[in-house]
Amino acid sequence: SAVISQKPSRDICQRGTSLTIQCQVDSQVTMMFWYRQQPGQSLTLIATANQGSEATYESGFVIDKFPISRPNLTFSTLTVSNMSPEDSSIYLCSTRSGTGGTEAFFGQGTRLTVV
Amino acid sequence: KQEVTQIPAALSVPEGENLVLNCSFTDSAIYNLQWFRQDPGKGLTSLLLIQSSQREQTSGRLNASLDKSSGRSTLYIAASQPGDSATYLCAVRQGYNNNDMRFGAGTRLTVKP
Repeated sequence: SAVISQKPSRDICQRGTSLTIQCQVDSQVTMMFWYRQQPGQSLTLIATANQGSEATYESGFVIDKFPISRPNLTFSTLTVSNMSPEDSSIYLCSTRSGTGGTEAFFGQGTRLTVV
Repeated sequence: KQEVTQIPAALSVPEGENLVLNCSFTDSAIYNLQWFRQDPGKGLTSLLLIQSSQREQTSGRLNASLDKSSGRSTLYIAASQPGDSATYLCAVRQGYNNNDMRFGAGTRLTVKP
């Protein structure tokens, strides 16, 4: 299994500002994933982050809005830039572990409110 | 495109009752299916993982089954407790080289004392 420490757990931010979310994994992992969960909705994949390469973004998400860093095999950050109230969501990081990297594990989530 | 549906969206039961949560998916060619628990405003906790070659998995009071051919999975919770109150999500992964997981919208479970 993999244990992911995610912080902050929640924040209230002013529109137009940026917030950086951090995730630390207790073991080295190849890929990390960032998801968004809008109020009352299910999870949507934002991007996949591999160490040493640019993150791969899903349709509807762009690097200028959600820059991601992956400096080593245990750490990643997601920045939500130039925030608006529509960015209010839970943001989650995830990785895969177990035999063949089959099982998904998640951080505790960051509950972001933009006012 | 894979679509995952969970029914019901919400469920309220008295403590001690056995219950079943349902998950259906449109494309039966899946790699695995995973059930998660999510407490309000929190992250996801992995409950059970079923590989495509498996029919069921058990952990304590939880039992998950998988019927790929019909595109269905169920999560059975025995002797429910108030501490089981949470949202339960199922997610399918299409292939080993496919990074994306498709999530259902979840079933919000309330177990009343």
